[in-house]
Amino acid sequence: DTEVTQTPKHLVMGMTNKKSLKCEQHMGHRAMYWYKQKAKKPPELMFVYSYEKLSINESVPSRFSPECPNSSLLNLHLHALQPEDSALYLCASSQRTSGYPPEQFFGPGTRLTVL
Amino acid sequence: SQQGEEDPQALSIQEGENATMNCSYKTSINNLQWYRQNSGRGLVHLILIRSNEREKHSGRLRVTLDTSKKSSSLLITASRAADTASYFCATDVSGTYKYIFGTGTRLKVLA
Repeated sequence: DTEVTQTPKHLVMGMTNKKSLKCEQHMGHRAMYWYKQKAKKPPELMFVYSYEKLSINESVPSRFSPECPNSSLLNLHLHALQPEDSALYLCASSQRTSGYPPEQFFGPGTRLTVL
Repeated sequence: SQQGEEDPQALSIQEGENATMNCSYKTSINNLQWYRQNSGRGLVHLILIRSNEREKHSGRLRVTLDTSKKSSSLLITASRAADTASYFCATDVSGTYKYIFGTGTRLKVLA
């Protein structure tokens, strides 16, 4: 299985809602990532988990809360978002190696709209 | 910003022609990767070139890397309508598992 899955595909939420995005991979990868992508822009890194521990947080506002319950799952909890947070949220995974950083495998993304 | 720059921003060619896109970056790297993204979907990894390599081929793709100029190019030969997508380069931040994506090139291949 060389696939990264993300649910839901689309999400519409109000500014007072609490919702979660889910990402799953069964490739045995021990590094997992969340990216945010606005239209016609490149993906911007939000968080990196390595061996289920948060290793990089790119100064993301606390209304985004990541969680890695086990080596296959990555969640992104959303609370009190702003309309400017509307974007495509991409999850990715990669092997952990002692050498060069390897290629990432991306999920199809969750299209988030904040009203 | 560490973000890389790609040019051109957009490219429109006829099917069968070659497409070349360029990427420049700012910091030292271990490797450089190219990804394709079809409209509004996830990214697909195309090719990885290490900092000690100068050229790499994969099918119709040819990637070059010039670390002295901090630049890379992606050549797609004999393009097809299915190659229509956005193409991004990505560089690692040395010593971390952080990736920085370039601004992207939107390629349109006309049938």
